[in-house]
Parts: sequence; C-alpha cells; structure tokens
Amino acid sequence: GAVVSQHPSRVICKSGTSVKIECRSLDFQATTMFWYRQFPKQSLMLMATSNEGSKATYEQGVEKDKFLINHASLTLSTLTVTSAHPEDSSFYICSARDAAGGTDTQYFGPGTRLTVL
Amino acid sequence: EDKVVQSPLSLVVHEGDTVTLNCSYEVTNFRSLLWYKQEKKAPTFLFMLTSSGIEKKSGRLSSILDKKELFSILNITATQTGDSAVYLCAGPFNAGGTSYGKLTFGQGTILTVHP
Repeated sequence: GAVVSQHPSRVICKSGTSVKIECRSLDFQATTMFWYRQFPKQSLMLMATSNEGSKATYEQGVEKDKFLINHASLTLSTLTVTSAHPEDSSFYICSARDAAGGTDTQYFGPGTRLTVL
Repeated sequence: EDKVVQSPLSLVVHEGDTVTLNCSYEVTNFRSLLWYKQEKKAPTFLFMLTSSGIEKKSGRLSSILDKKELFSILNITATQTGDSAVYLCAGPFNAGGTSYGKLTFGQGTILTVHP
C-alpha cells in the first residue's frame, strides 16, 4: 500500500515554543491531506483539511492561528503548533488522500507524539 | 448527515476463532468504504471497497460490500493475538466543497484475541 511518513515521530518541548510536524506522501501525489489529533483511549478527531495551493479548512473549535497548516506541494503538508502549552500534548496524525484513477482512499502517517512540558 | 455505525463495539475471542465485524452506513454521496486497523499507533489501511459483491482478501482478512443494503463486513479467520486492535470503518462520503474527501468514521470495534 501507499506510504505516508511523518516527522518527527516524537517531540518534547517547553511551554511557549512552536513545533512543526511534517507529513509526506512518499509514492503518490496528495492534493488533500488531513490532520487529526487523538487523546488516549479516544477516537481520532479531525482538526483540519489541508488543500495543496489553498488555505486549510479548520473544523469547528480548532484555532487556525494556533495550528498553522501549510500544504506547499503535492507531497508535503506541515502542521505548526504555535506557542505550545501542556494541553496541546497529544498524538497528531496526518492522512493523505489518494484519489487517482477513480479510487478514493486515505493513508495515515505513523503519527507524532507531542509532549509539552 | 452522513452516518457510519459499527457493531459489535467490542468482541473477545480466543485464538483460532473466526470473527465478523459489521459496518452499516447512511450517506449522501458514496465514493468508497475503507477499513483500518488501529493498534497503539496510527491506523493502518486494510481495504478499500467500491463495488458491491466483490470480496477483497488479504491473508486471513477479507471484506465485502453490499451497496444495496448499505453495509460491509470484515472477516478475520483463525484469529491470532496480533489481531487484537480497534477496527475502524470509514468513508469519504462527502466529495464536495470544503469537505472534499473528509472521512466519516464508525465508532470502531475493539477486538481482543486471547491465547
């Protein structure tokens, strides 16, 4: 199956710093990528839809100035958590949409564990 | 509003058993139905289903879609402890506007396989 990578896999930072997470589709082009967060024992929560070449669409309750999304190319989307606080500690997962050839599938990255001290 | 319902919500079996997981959906614009397995990390892709009646197989796992009755099943034969996970059913049902490709997930089925 298709491969989606995320970097870093784990990050620990001090409160007030910004953290950038990269999501790459390695063997297909993804015009759309999605960012999720997941707390322990809870389901995935969609944060935003990242569209290549245009502004991201944020879900209700997600601060766009807090979670900056850039989708600069067909294989790369980045999520920057600005001025991170301990409550931002979570598991952040991206997915990339493969809609080529009449298919419509999403592949998830392995996730990034963010811990804010 | 699109809706995906999975059953059972949890299932406990012993190694060697066969299990069937169910997923029903109500959608405005069907494109495909996806199955994922999630252990203690991000979901891993299992199957994409678009056509009715065509079984997809991968080892001991198989899945089929019924677009008339609006459901799908995921079968796992000869279960192993490594099959223990949350199995998610989802669909990119709403293909338009700012929700393009956004997944609607079921609640998931927690499968526990005991030795």
